[in-house]
Parts: sequence; C-alpha cells; structure tokens
Amino acid sequence: EIVLTQSPGTLSLSPGERATFSCRASQRLTGNSLAWYQQKPGQAPRLLIYGVSNRATDVPDRFSGSGSGTDFSLTITGLGPEDFAVYFCQQYSYSPATFGQGTRVEIK
Amino acid sequence: QVQLVESGGGVVQPGGSLRLSCAASGFTFSSYGMHWVRQAPGKGLEWVGFIRFDSSNKYYGDSVKGRITISRDNSKNTMSLQINSLRAEDTAVYYCAKPSQKYGYRDYFESWGQGTLVTVSA
Repeated sequence: EIVLTQSPGTLSLSPGERATFSCRASQRLTGNSLAWYQQKPGQAPRLLIYGVSNRATDVPDRFSGSGSGTDFSLTITGLGPEDFAVYFCQQYSYSPATFGQGTRVEIK
Repeated sequence: QVQLVESGGGVVQPGGSLRLSCAASGFTFSSYGMHWVRQAPGKGLEWVGFIRFDSSNKYYGDSVKGRITISRDNSKNTMSLQINSLRAEDTAVYYCAKPSQKYGYRDYFESWGQGTLVTVSA
C-alpha cells in the first residue's frame, strides 16, 4: 500500500498569505495520479485538483498543484477566509487508493 | 448535478451489523463504478471498497475485508454497504463517492455524499 505523508501537519497563516504544503509518496506515482481535496468541519471532502495540476470545476485559480514522482505540492496564492480548512492528498496510481493524513490551514 | 445521499448510520453495539445506503442522482448511475470511503472522528480518509458498474467486480479494503459486502441496484440508483462484526474502530462517517471515469477503480473522487455516521459502542 502506498503511504502518503503530508507536511506540515498544521499551517498557521493570515488571510492574503501564500500557503504551500507537500505530499510525499512512498513510491513513485505513475500517470500523474494525484488529487487534492479540501474539507471543512462537518462537510464532505471537495475535489480541488486531479492529475497533479488540473483544477476541478469551479475551483478558483489561486489553487495550484505541482510535482512528479514522489513529491507533490498544493499552493494557495492569497488565502481567502473560506480557504481555512484541512487538505488531503490522494493517490490513485495503485490500488488501494490511499490518502495523506491531512494538512490543517488555520488562521494565525 | 450529481447528488449522493447516504443513510442508515446509527449507534450499533460491538459485534453488530449495519446496512448503509447511497442514493444517487444527476448522472447515469448504472454506467459508473462507485466507492465507499470512511473517516474516523478527527482522523483522515480511508478507502473502504468499490463496486463495478455491473456488480461484476468488488474490491474491499484490508481493514474491512471479510466483514463487508457492497451491492447495488441500478434500477433504483442505489448502492449499499453491509458491515458485519462491527468493532469500535469502525466508528466513522461513511461516504459514498463517485469516480471521474466510468470504470473508476483507480481513480479520484469527483463527487461525495454528505456522509452517514456509524458509531460502534456498547
């Protein structure tokens, strides 16, 4: 099973700042098979990014994904108040699909 | 638009059973494989299982294998998850999720339901 390790666990930032966090896979992912989700308290995860860098429908362009192989990152340029949430990465190169443990972005 | 609505959660004693349902609308349900994903309180996401569009293949996570059965009724646009021999560690919100592709086994999760909470407690 592929293990995804996200860092940092928590990011404390102010609105308007840039957030960057990472997701490292225990094995090289093939086919750009990495997605990112946003989850707010009491809500289901929401797809943000798929295929490493493709934004899902209605996702603002301040969200961007990058990376390859085993190292991936999600960047939010200019944090809006609605962006304070938990972010999960997920790999779908190998079965079973696995998720990172999440990065919490909190208001500083 | 895609809508997934889970139901059937509740409080169950250890060793008990529960059947969860997912009602789908807004897409051609019978053409898509579907997944269950769960999330223990305050924890991360764990893939539980998958059923192919025609029920011909089912795959289950190691932590639940042998204790769960996923089924579907394409005439009713519903999917079910039967969990037996429930343990405290099965306490979680259970989500049904639609993949992006019709086969959709190794895939990302394009749409999620709101989830249903299962609590295993004496």
